[in-house]
Amino acid sequence: SYVLTQPPSVSVAPGQTARLTCGGNKIGSKSVHWYQQKPGQAPVLVVYDDSDRPSGIPERFSGSNSGNTATLTISRGEAGDEADYYCQVWDSSSDHWVFGGGTKLTVL
Amino acid sequence: QLQLQESGPGLVKPSETLSLTCTVSGGSISSSAYYWGWIRQPPGKGLEWIGSISYSGSTYYNPSLKSRVTISIDTSKNQFSLKLSSVTAADTAVYYCARARGNSRRFDPWGQGTLVTVSS
Repeated sequence: SYVLTQPPSVSVAPGQTARLTCGGNKIGSKSVHWYQQKPGQAPVLVVYDDSDRPSGIPERFSGSNSGNTATLTISRGEAGDEADYYCQVWDSSSDHWVFGGGTKLTVL
Repeated sequence: QLQLQESGPGLVKPSETLSLTCTVSGGSISSSAYYWGWIRQPPGKGLEWIGSISYSGSTYYNPSLKSRVTISIDTSKNQFSLKLSSVTAADTAVYYCARARGNSRRFDPWGQGTLVTVSS
């Protein structure tokens, strides 16, 4: 089955850029989605299809995907961006949905 | 605006069957454009996809849970349901329902989630 790998934690200083990675075999050939989850809340979609943003998501959130790594980039990090971030793909070969293990983003 | 709401017992005994329902409001569950999914999150851990169902009843299950999971859909009630049999403490988690949309099947939106504890 397809596996997505995320670093457990990433730290960023306020105002700086955070880059969260999601690794998978030839992930560049798949569409990657990113979710933000704050404590006690349901996940919220922040980037879909590698680099598209749902309405209401700030432009500070962007995504890219190539080769074996997809990246969620959060520019001008704010305290309110502190959350767990999960990547997700749909594996069309098996009709299975797959989540990465998640990355805890700390803004300090 | 589409909303999803999970409902069901918050406490289930070991070896019994966990049953949850997701009620969809603000839109039809019968659209061929969408799939409907269940995702869970054990306390302090990450998200795990349990399974999904299409409007026509086609089901897709996580291989690690497939032998114990049944997902069904009731278009007349605009609901879909999850049954997980032979539960153990390892099945204690917050259970979310969500809509999967697009050819790449992103989950959006999600329900608020419901905590199910497996304990005697």
